[in-house]
Formats: sequence, structure tokens, C-alpha cells
Amino acid sequence: QKEVEQDPGPLSVPEGAIVSLNCTYSNSAFQYFMWYRQYSRKGPELLMYTYSSGNKEDGRFTAQVDKSSKYISLFIRDSQPSDSATYLCAMSQGLGGNKLTFGTGTQLKVEL
Amino acid sequence: GAGVSQSPSNKVTEKGKDVELRCDPISGHTALYWYRQSLGQGLEFLIYFQGNSAPDKSGLPSDRFSAERTGGSVSTLTIQRTQQEDSAVYLCASSSSGQGIGYTFGSGTRLTVV
Repeated sequence: QKEVEQDPGPLSVPEGAIVSLNCTYSNSAFQYFMWYRQYSRKGPELLMYTYSSGNKEDGRFTAQVDKSSKYISLFIRDSQPSDSATYLCAMSQGLGGNKLTFGTGTQLKVEL
Repeated sequence: GAGVSQSPSNKVTEKGKDVELRCDPISGHTALYWYRQSLGQGLEFLIYFQGNSAPDKSGLPSDRFSAERTGGSVSTLTIQRTQQEDSAVYLCASSSSGQGIGYTFGSGTRLTVV
């Protein structure tokens, strides 16, 4: 079993929809939780990060972490075609020098 | 430079040949990471360099893989005697302090072993 599980999709939604992307994990030592967005043939770019449990909002994006359930989510409101990309969750035990453990990524397509 | 630069962007090689992949991190970034992204597998950690410290090689899949970082800047990932299962996108990332949150990734090298 992988340390981080993520549904690969693809997920197709109409423009304007609310999108929910999720990951589960097994390592209770993870403290930092990140979401990366990756466009085709590009490297991942950091969207948001959260420390421990709780919510964080940035514009149309909200990240949620529930450490008791080992479950993290990314919500995208008013989704746009430009949001079409692969979304990867990532997590680490600490900050300094720690490698990130990634999910496999969820491919999202927002249709006009 | 403005971002992390990787070369070549694409590489097709014959099984059994050696390949070298290059990464130019953001100027001043002390930490450098190599990851491998295979279809359906997500990003797999390979190796981490931080300043002058000994690299963390714990993710290298076999002794055919090696990496070096010269002068604390440019890094080269070498794969010897390539196999078809080595086909993947190899991504390099750098950060200013080794903090995982501040990674900046390059666009990767797409390696195809035929």
C-alpha cells in the first residue's frame, strides 16, 4: 500500500462547478500538506500548503486537512477551463531538508 | 536564472546506453532535489543535495543511478546501462533553504529508452 493515495481521475466538470480533490495517507508523522498543480509537459507548481489540521483559503482555492482521519482535500470554486491540469497532493514530516511524498495526481478537465 | 532549467527536454536512447541529465537550479538556492515521474506512479524521490553536506541518496533505485552537484550549483543525474523501465520524466527542483514548501520545479527531461 502506498503512503499517499490519490484517485487518478480523470475528473471532468463543467465551467463554474465546485471541484473536490482528495488524498488519504497512512503516515501519522506527516505534518505539512501541500497541493501542486501540473500543466502538461511542465513541472509541478505549488498552489497551497497547510501545517497540521485545519483549513486555508486562497482566492478560489481552499485546502483542508483532517489529521484524525488522515485525509486532505482541495476545493476549487467557480472552476475555469484554465484550472484544467493534474493536481498532486504532497506531504512531509518537517520543513528542513525533508523529501516530499507525493500522490499520483488527479487529472482535472474543466469543460466550457 | 529566473527558474530551474533542465536539459535536454527530451531524450531517446537505446537500451544499454548511458545518459546524463542536467539541472541548473535557481541562483542562490542551496537545496536541490531530483524526482522521477512515471505514468500512474506519481513523483518518486531520487536524491537530495543541501549545500556542502553529503547528499541523501536514499531514493536512488539501483546502483546504475548516480548524481553529482558541482560547485553547489549545477547537478547531473547519470543513468548507466539504461533499461526500458527507466523511461520516465526526470524532474529537478531547488529551494533556498531545503524547506520542502519552497520547491521550484523545472519542466523535466522526458527520457524514453527503446
